[in-house]
Amino acid sequence: GAVVSQHPSRVICKSGTSVKIECRSLDFQATTMFWYRQFPKKSLMLMATSNEGSKATYEQGVEKDKFLINHASLTLSTLTVTSAHPEDSSFYICSARYPEQFFGPGTRLTVL
Amino acid sequence: SQQGEEDPQALSIQEGENATMNCSYKTSINNLQWYRQNSGRGLVHLILIRSNEREKHSGRLRVTLDTSKKSSSLLITASRAADTASYFCATDDYNTDKLIFGTGTRLQVFP
Repeated sequence: GAVVSQHPSRVICKSGTSVKIECRSLDFQATTMFWYRQFPKKSLMLMATSNEGSKATYEQGVEKDKFLINHASLTLSTLTVTSAHPEDSSFYICSARYPEQFFGPGTRLTVL
Repeated sequence: SQQGEEDPQALSIQEGENATMNCSYKTSINNLQWYRQNSGRGLVHLILIRSNEREKHSGRLRVTLDTSKKSSSLLITASRAADTASYFCATDDYNTDKLIFGTGTRLQVFP
């Protein structure tokens, strides 16, 4: 199957800093990528749809100024958590369609 | 909430037994998929069943879909300790093309 990578796999940062997470489709081009958030022992919640060459579409309740998404190329989408706070600590997973969704391995963010 | 419901939330069985997980959803769908997630890891795609299909098999997995009841089940036969993981159903929303996940079932298989 298609491969989606994420970097970093784990990040610890101080409160108030910004963190960028990369999502890459390694062997295919993806005009659409998705970003999910998962709390411990919970399901995945869709945060936003990342569209190559246009603005991301955010789900209700997700702050677009807090979670900046940039889909700069057909193989790369980035999620930047701005001014991170401890409540932003979570597991962030991206996916890309080809044609079904393939998921990245996830990024665990811990904000101290 | 658009999220589907899965039951049971948690299931513990012995190796060799069968495990059945159920998923209910709310909207019209193009297809329904089942995923597996080991603790702290990404998702592994298990099987996809289209809205015009009623049953699908893949190895020890059997998936059924009842669109009239908006429900699906995943059966894992002859379970193994390595099947221990969380299992999620996800529906491909017909109108929005988004993937909506169920609440998940945590399966524990004891050797």
